[in-house]
Amino acid sequence: DTEVTQTPKHLVMGMTNKKSLKCEQHMGHRAMYWYKQKAKKPPELMFVYSYEKLSINESVPSRFSPECPNSSLLNLHLHALQPEDSALYLCASSGKSRKVNTGELFFGEGSRLTVL
Amino acid sequence: QKEVEQDPGPLSVPEGAIVSLNCTYSNSAFQYFMWYRQYSRKGPELLMYTYSSGNKEDGRFTAQVDKSSKYISLFIRDSQPSDSATYLCAFFSNFGNEKLTFGTGTRLTIIP
Repeated sequence: DTEVTQTPKHLVMGMTNKKSLKCEQHMGHRAMYWYKQKAKKPPELMFVYSYEKLSINESVPSRFSPECPNSSLLNLHLHALQPEDSALYLCASSGKSRKVNTGELFFGEGSRLTVL
Repeated sequence: QKEVEQDPGPLSVPEGAIVSLNCTYSNSAFQYFMWYRQYSRKGPELLMYTYSSGNKEDGRFTAQVDKSSKYISLFIRDSQPSDSATYLCAFFSNFGNEKLTFGTGTRLTIIP
């Protein structure tokens, strides 16, 4: 069982809706990530939070808005999405509180998003 | 030249066979080398992790890194139908933006 929990597992939304994806980890990791994965493609990095601060934004459209309320929680707020945004959205965490990040990511099961 | 090259497959082998999955890379700054396994409609799962040249064994899985040739491999012995999944190689460096670089993934099917 993964120690990174994502909700909801499935989400269907219209292009005018506002919804949020949620992610939680209790491993004491200092970094949390959002990835987007299309079918038969590797995960693509969207955002990285390190010590609750946004450290990487991979030029993601503003209709995706990340939020890190505390070290265990990560949200992705969705608004005015397009059908091409339909994908599996993966949350991951890494790096216990130590200075060196070794890149070992622990992924959640993902939230499968369909935009109509 | 792509930073990471991985044959997407698909690869089908009979149960019990030895499977060899490979990736090449061009970025000399990569320090950490990983293999992730992803079952259909699930998140990737970290399978093997190493930071030095040589072999690392874990049960039926062996990860091999050759830094001089910029080549990593994953071997699966006594393959089982439950090994059917997509296998992603991944690379990481502390220098620069600390991003994990994935290969495209190889889809593997073990035939009973």
